[in-house]
Amino acid sequence: QLQLQESGPGLVKPSETLSLTCTVSGGSISSSRYYWGWIRQPPGKGLEWIGNIYYSGNTYYNPSLKSRVTISIDTSRNQFSLRLSSLTAADTAVYHCARAPDTGVIMDVWGNGTTVSVSS
Amino acid sequence: EIVMTQSPATLSVSPGERATLSCRASQSVSSNLAWYQQKPGQSPRLLIYGASTRATGIPARFSGSGSGTEFTLTISSLQSEDFALYYCQQSNNWPLAFGPGTKVDIK
Repeated sequence: QLQLQESGPGLVKPSETLSLTCTVSGGSISSSRYYWGWIRQPPGKGLEWIGNIYYSGNTYYNPSLKSRVTISIDTSRNQFSLRLSSLTAADTAVYHCARAPDTGVIMDVWGNGTTVSVSS
Repeated sequence: EIVMTQSPATLSVSPGERATLSCRASQSVSSNLAWYQQKPGQSPRLLIYGASTRATGIPARFSGSGSGTEFTLTISSLQSEDFALYYCQQSNNWPLAFGPGTKVDIK
């Protein structure tokens, strides 16, 4: 059974860069059948799509975050990662990774999420 | 960019009753619309994609309809485990976009 697990720091300082990793188990991240994505949810608020990546490295980003976001993939480790720079308190959220099948536009398997707080 | 809206923000329903949730897109997304359910402290779960296709393991009491800009999620007879948040998401164009959600709570 496919599982996704987010990992990374729970607390980061303003202006710093957040780095999160999603480890995929029970399936190969190199499959041509799937994209892999990041979605976040600020406390008490709705879902915000951050971006998706294909095994080849092709990426799609939310324009509102594009200047600060990099998503990368490491097929040797079966992981993909998120980097978000120039953090502010508004980036405080639960960050989810997810699998997106076929054309990559829906998310059918989600990780449990990891809470990130931006504070000095 | 496509903007998604949902109504109502909160829907109060008695167990066993029918719930109807609405989602609207700022421009046509054809039938490329997904619905997710999220319970407190949990990750979202895919319910419906392609506007009307149930995801694997989703009970038949969940149904989706609509095309273009207007969509509906119907829960035919609410069970206790269905009280949750529901989000729609357009899957027609990049960037992907979620609606703000509808909370279904117990009346």
